[in-house]
Amino acid sequence: EAGVAQSPRYKIIEKRQSVAFWCNPISGHATLYWYQQILGQGPKLLIQFQNNGVVDDSQLPKDRFSAERLKGVDSTLKIQPAKLEDSAVYLCASRGFRGPGGEQFFGPGTRLTVL
Amino acid sequence: DAKTTQPPSMDCAEGRAANLPCNHSTISGNEYVYWYRQIHSQGPQYIIHGLKNNETNEMASLIITEDRKSSTLILPHATLRDTAVYYCIVRGQETSGSRLTFGEGTQLTVNP
Repeated sequence: EAGVAQSPRYKIIEKRQSVAFWCNPISGHATLYWYQQILGQGPKLLIQFQNNGVVDDSQLPKDRFSAERLKGVDSTLKIQPAKLEDSAVYLCASRGFRGPGGEQFFGPGTRLTVL
Repeated sequence: DAKTTQPPSMDCAEGRAANLPCNHSTISGNEYVYWYRQIHSQGPQYIIHGLKNNETNEMASLIITEDRKSSTLILPHATLRDTAVYYCIVRGQETSGSRLTFGEGTQLTVNP
């Protein structure tokens, strides 16, 4: 089966600009996650969707980050305006009910550089 | 969710078994031990998980001590492609609101 797709793979912007990332989860997966991974650290969950509803956004910096999953399939994560500390890899993951209890499938990530 | 402690790095010779330890002394009775790995420039990949019994799949074996305070991930015949950061994560059922919290993991380097 096809994996989690993300685009773009790389993005370079200047601070205070806006940027958006796109994720298409594995077909049929109801749960979708966005993670932020700063260089040298493990991924940190930003937001979790169940179908098109938000389950957990407690670690999302809501003053500048937003995410949506309007039709319960693909999702976009937006940063507006970007700061230097937002430089990181943004990972999307999905999970289906057939998984062995919590297995998440990750996409390749989008590497964001803020100058 | 319980916190885990892993060594920052380990080396292993190609073809030998790689044994990656993880301490989780504050684990509670309904929390699982998960292992993921992340190869350079890729997203994390699920390896295995367990509650209290030892588990084995096509990728690895997971040995959990009887008191559940520590575990070991075993890659029986390590290859160069197993070079990655390995994350040990303790969490409850996702339906209870528990999230996957990654630490800094163990950088495993498999040498030829």
